[in-house]
Amino acid sequence: DGGITQSPKYLFRKEGQNVTLSCEQNLNHDAMYWYRQDPGQGLRLIYYSQIVNDFQKGDIAEGYSVSREKKESFPLTVTSAQKNPTAFYLCASSKSQGAGSYNSPLHFGNGTRLTVT
Amino acid sequence: GESVGLHLPTLSVQEGDNSIINCAYSNSASDYFIWYKQESGKGPQFIIDIRSNMDKRQGQRVTVLLNKTVKHLSLQIAATQPGDSAVYFCAENMGTGNQFYFGTGTSLTVIP
Repeated sequence: DGGITQSPKYLFRKEGQNVTLSCEQNLNHDAMYWYRQDPGQGLRLIYYSQIVNDFQKGDIAEGYSVSREKKESFPLTVTSAQKNPTAFYLCASSKSQGAGSYNSPLHFGNGTRLTVT
Repeated sequence: GESVGLHLPTLSVQEGDNSIINCAYSNSASDYFIWYKQESGKGPQFIIDIRSNMDKRQGQRVTVLLNKTVKHLSLQIAATQPGDSAVYFCAENMGTGNQFYFGTGTSLTVIP
């Protein structure tokens, strides 16, 4: 079955440490995204990538970094500069949009819950 | 970013009844909308989508209605089942860069 795999499901880190969350997809989607979900708030976009070796900041990119070296993979690093890193992180992918084409829905993984103490 | 809000944060319905979940969006330029279902500890799951050139779309037991005049979106679930208990999100897209903006969600509880 095609899908998006996020690992690990739960992650615990000490304050001041960087941590990398994994996201792999086998849907052959060009675009990938990272969202953060906090209680009582909607999903907020951290970074997105529409093609390999290219990515753009979302609304809350400060304290995060990403890479897109392969189409299938879009890891997210939560750095020590992120002031409130404890959250539920969701990775998503979608088909690419050519000029003038319609958008397509996001397909989500099952998330990684990061707790920083 | 644009705000997408839900009228009710929680909704309880009896099993077998119909459910209606509402969503207000703020950007009149948004042209694509999606409803997602999220169960506890899982990622959002696609339910149904609708483009701005339509005002109604039906799926299996679900119907989405779009009223562009008042910028309102609703999700109707027929014959609600216990497995429908989850948080439901609407998302809007303005057609640029495939960036979506999500509402805070409505928690649906189905009473057996």
